[in-house]
Amino acid sequence: KAGVTQTPRYLIKTRGQQVTLSCSPISGHRSVSWYQQTPGQGLQFLFEYFSETQRNKGNFPGRFSGRQFSNSRSEMNVSTLELGDSALYLCASSLTGRVEAFFGQGTRLTVV
Amino acid sequence: QQQVKQSPQSLIVQKGGISIINCAYENTAFDYFPWYQQFPGKGPALLIAIRPDVSEKKEGRFTISFNKSAKQFSLHIMDSQPGDSATYFCAARRESNTGKLIFGQGTTLQVKP
Repeated sequence: KAGVTQTPRYLIKTRGQQVTLSCSPISGHRSVSWYQQTPGQGLQFLFEYFSETQRNKGNFPGRFSGRQFSNSRSEMNVSTLELGDSALYLCASSLTGRVEAFFGQGTRLTVV
Repeated sequence: QQQVKQSPQSLIVQKGGISIINCAYENTAFDYFPWYQQFPGKGPALLIAIRPDVSEKKEGRFTISFNKSAKQFSLHIMDSQPGDSATYFCAARRESNTGKLIFGQGTTLQVKP
């Protein structure tokens, strides 16, 4: 069974631009969560989607948004990029009714 | 009430030794405590997890000890190997908040040959 797939693996963007990251969960998993990982702040929860609905949201500004499609694939969007948005963005998926979360390899975003 | 505090920040252990990483939490509503292992350039991988109704869980060389009254849990890696060198994160989650993991700051483990 394929794991969680995130694309692209690496991105370089300029301040002020926007970016869209993609996550394909493990087949059959309907819950998708997003995390930001930085050396200073560690792993921080961004939001969670289940059946195309946002079920939970972390403490990030409105520039960070996401969505989930009917096939459970998810995207997150960051608008008006800031230097501080440089981070590894991780997606995790879970099976309905199970607590175990499985992470993808992440998308490394660099804002210059 | 949402914090999970992890220590030490870094750890160096000789091959064959025991690695111990500790975590403490504040929110008594947490009822699922996983440990993740992360290698450079990779996403975190679920290593082992425990519920608070169990005081210890062992899987191979990895053991979680859980002290509910102290609100602490720890990861023990027995017979540590150089391949165990990685960053380890503890985490906590409330079932009612499914999907939202609160992570500790991580421990970088180096196992010397």
